[in-house]
Amino acid sequence: NAGVTQTPKFQVLKTGQSMTLQCAQDMNHEYMSWYRQDPGMGLRLIHYSVGAGITDQGEVPNGYNVSRSTTEDFPLRLLSAAPSQTSVYFCASSYRTGGTEAFFGQGTRLTVV
Amino acid sequence: AQSVTQLDSQVPVFEEAPVELRCNYSSSVSVYLFWYVQYPNQGLQLLLKYLSGSTLVKGINGFEAEFNKSQTSFHLRKPSVHISDTAEYFCAVSPFGNEKLTFGTGTRLTIIP
Repeated sequence: NAGVTQTPKFQVLKTGQSMTLQCAQDMNHEYMSWYRQDPGMGLRLIHYSVGAGITDQGEVPNGYNVSRSTTEDFPLRLLSAAPSQTSVYFCASSYRTGGTEAFFGQGTRLTVV
Repeated sequence: AQSVTQLDSQVPVFEEAPVELRCNYSSSVSVYLFWYVQYPNQGLQLLLKYLSGSTLVKGINGFEAEFNKSQTSFHLRKPSVHISDTAEYFCAVSPFGNEKLTFGTGTRLTIIP
């Protein structure tokens, strides 16, 4: 059981480039989400999805797009990378039952130069 | 909306000493409460959670937390810490019936040999 798998683990982008961070889970979880972690700011929600075909914005959605074509996959797209998007990105998944445990991937460390 | 405050960004503790990590929250609705731990260069994993019932909850690795509704607090405690407890600890809340987690800014626990 792999849990939540994120790729790549590390990435360096030039300003203006686009890329997709991949996230896949094998636990049949309906709820998936993307967070960014910055020093002193904790984790902030970027986008989330409550099921295939349904996505919504979180606290800091600007500059990011998501889609959810299958239950398993929830990719995060950076449209035109900016230095302010330098961060560690985490994908998480859980059942939709309130109070359930969220399972996190290992993270993607992104640097935009 | 919910907010979570972790006033201590860093807590140094001698090995085998007790520790308390503080967490206060604000919410206009009832919430579930969580503590997650992040070991160096890893994703987050659940330590413990409070859903309802007894206000003292026990988690993994000897940690426990007490929910205090009147003080809107959910402090994490361990009677005797070990070097392996070195990590960052995040308090989080989610509203009843909703999976969205709101995180605090984290507390970095450093164990001094």
